[in-house]
Amino acid sequence: DAKTTQPNSMESNEEEPVHLPCNHSTISGTDYIHWYRQLPSQGPEYVIHGLTSNVNNRMASLAIAEDRKSSTLILHRATLRDAAVYYCILRDPVSDSGGGADGLTFGKGTHLIIQP
Amino acid sequence: GAGVSQSPSNKVTEKGKDVELRCDPISGHTALYWYRQSLGQGLEFLIYFQGNSAPDKSGLPSDRFSAERTGGSVSTLTIQRTQQEDSAVYLCASSPWEGAFSGYTFGSGTRLTVV
Repeated sequence: DAKTTQPNSMESNEEEPVHLPCNHSTISGTDYIHWYRQLPSQGPEYVIHGLTSNVNNRMASLAIAEDRKSSTLILHRATLRDAAVYYCILRDPVSDSGGGADGLTFGKGTHLIIQP
Repeated sequence: GAGVSQSPSNKVTEKGKDVELRCDPISGHTALYWYRQSLGQGLEFLIYFQGNSAPDKSGLPSDRFSAERTGGSVSTLTIQRTQQEDSAVYLCASSPWEGAFSGYTFGSGTRLTVV
């Protein structure tokens, strides 16, 4: 799986939007962009994923650049409960055969701090 | 159940003892993964089960680690002769086989402390 680059940490205020960036300049045409988050003392939680078009769900929105070399996870109105480590991960289902030898490759992610 | 269940949630063991960690995946999920996460670190892949296929053990750090999955459902991760460096949170995740097209569901993990 191609590598992703994220800032180590970001800080935002409660009830404001948060934009979490991810660079993936070596992304292949068949890589899906996945986002997970890990709250303190919990396992990672799936947030959203996409391929080319922007995606929205109840948790967040995913904005994907036209060249797909970067993406942004958008939390529209952050709450204190959104404080977590956010991971941006690429998965290629074409070469993956349903899981692959390394599963999801988690980097260090972005530690999101929400100020009240 | 509705989610991935792991037990025990916490385990303290003496160095040299064997431990077994259990994972109950979501019913119907054919793919099951074990990861471990040391304090302040990212997740490290350990082993992957897919249906009835032979597991991918490429991430197991030593031959003291083994895992099995009975009946395509419950999985047990066994660590023999535990060492202090085995202390970590062990996480289990499951997904439909087409996991790359959808999300993986993780359990809350087992926190293992070797003293």
